[in-house]
Amino acid sequence: QQPVQSPQAVILREGEDAVINCSSSKALYSVHWYRQKHGEAPVFLMILLKGGEQKGHDKISASFNEKKQQSSLYLTASQLSYSGTYFCGTLEYGNKLVFGAGTILRVKS
Amino acid sequence: DTAVSQTPKYLVTQMGNDKSIKCEQNLGHDTMYWYKQDSKKFLKIMFSYNNKELIINETVPNRFSPKSPDKAHLNLHINSLELGDSAVYFCASSRGGAKNTGELFFGEGSRLTVL
Repeated sequence: QQPVQSPQAVILREGEDAVINCSSSKALYSVHWYRQKHGEAPVFLMILLKGGEQKGHDKISASFNEKKQQSSLYLTASQLSYSGTYFCGTLEYGNKLVFGAGTILRVKS
Repeated sequence: DTAVSQTPKYLVTQMGNDKSIKCEQNLGHDTMYWYKQDSKKFLKIMFSYNNKELIINETVPNRFSPKSPDKAHLNLHINSLELGDSAVYFCASSRGGAKNTGELFFGEGSRLTVL
């Protein structure tokens, strides 16, 4: 069963912040975040493992609350280059990475 | 030097035809995957192979047949193409076994259009 992402889409101006949420009805051991720019392949951003660890990647960070079965991706001081579709993924048996439906992020100047 | 490469990048074909997409990775990974991305951008796993062995076989019509001649290659053959097969097909690879962190490396995608 795929994780649920919210919001479906968000439009920002450069410099604004955004939060993308990902939740699952199943117990989570890890959450994976990818970004896909238009016409390109998805690119790995980060993996969060059990333990509530918060990770960072430039001005993009994420948290993972395994008790609530949720993860959030935080984009601060957004740049035009952040535009794209963000996917969270959860790892299932057999190393099967199941993606959410994606969140479209558009940053305007 | 492209890590995961797919050919062809574009295919346009008629309903009922058969087509193949090839994928090669030079990362030394043990596991390879095929994902389908439809017009709504939903990324759905189809198959995965670990060291030439089929591991994941999702509910996919048997018109789709993957083949892995060695752990660096994973091909996808599609018989009797239908309009609903139109999508972008992504190949991906990851480390297998205990070193696997789940990070996927995607190819550039193959856009299939069935007319």
